[in-house]
Amino acid sequence: KAGVTQTPRYLIKTRGQQVTLSCSPISGHRSVSWYQQTPGQGLQFLFEYFSETQRNKGNFPGRFSGRQFSNSRSEMNVSTLELGDSALYLCASSPRSSDRYGYTFGSGTRLTVV
Amino acid sequence: TQLLEQSPQFLSIQEGENLTVYCNSSSVFSSLQWYRQEPGEGPVLLVTVVTGGEVKKLKRLTFQFGDARKDSSLHITAAQPGDTGLYLCAYISNFGNEKLTFGTGTRLTIIP
Repeated sequence: KAGVTQTPRYLIKTRGQQVTLSCSPISGHRSVSWYQQTPGQGLQFLFEYFSETQRNKGNFPGRFSGRQFSNSRSEMNVSTLELGDSALYLCASSPRSSDRYGYTFGSGTRLTVV
Repeated sequence: TQLLEQSPQFLSIQEGENLTVYCNSSSVFSSLQWYRQEPGEGPVLLVTVVTGGEVKKLKRLTFQFGDARKDSSLHITAAQPGDTGLYLCAYISNFGNEKLTFGTGTRLTIIP
């Protein structure tokens, strides 16, 4: 079956712009989580959606937002980009009982802010 | 938020050697997961350990969950270049809080 698909794979934006990243989970997976990965901070949790509702949110500023659609596809948006937002953004999907089945990650979107 | 410290941070060894990497915390976990991430890709789940003292084997990889469920180790036998990657341990918060918290990671390089 198809894995988690993230688009685009690479993105270059200018400071101050906004960006929208997309994630299509594995068919049947209803939970979608987003993570930011940087060399200095490692993998950090952004937020998690289940059935179009945000269930959990990490410690990121309000410039980071997301949503989930009825088909479980998710988008995250970052407004007023800063240089420090340059990172690999990863999306992960899981069945409801993620503790047992684990998360399946996409290949990520590499965002570079210049 | 409980912290997961992984050691060593970097490890570079020759093909055929054995190695062990560690994931430690002062907190007790209901379960721990291990992932491997290759450059340009997302992490891939290797194993979930649930019971204190549990040992799971995945070919040449052996995972152990500490008796007190505070730590875990990953042992690789006869390392191969394909084992190169970033190894991450992670836990899921309790109480239905579906959030993965990752450790600091061990970057492993196997030299042919």
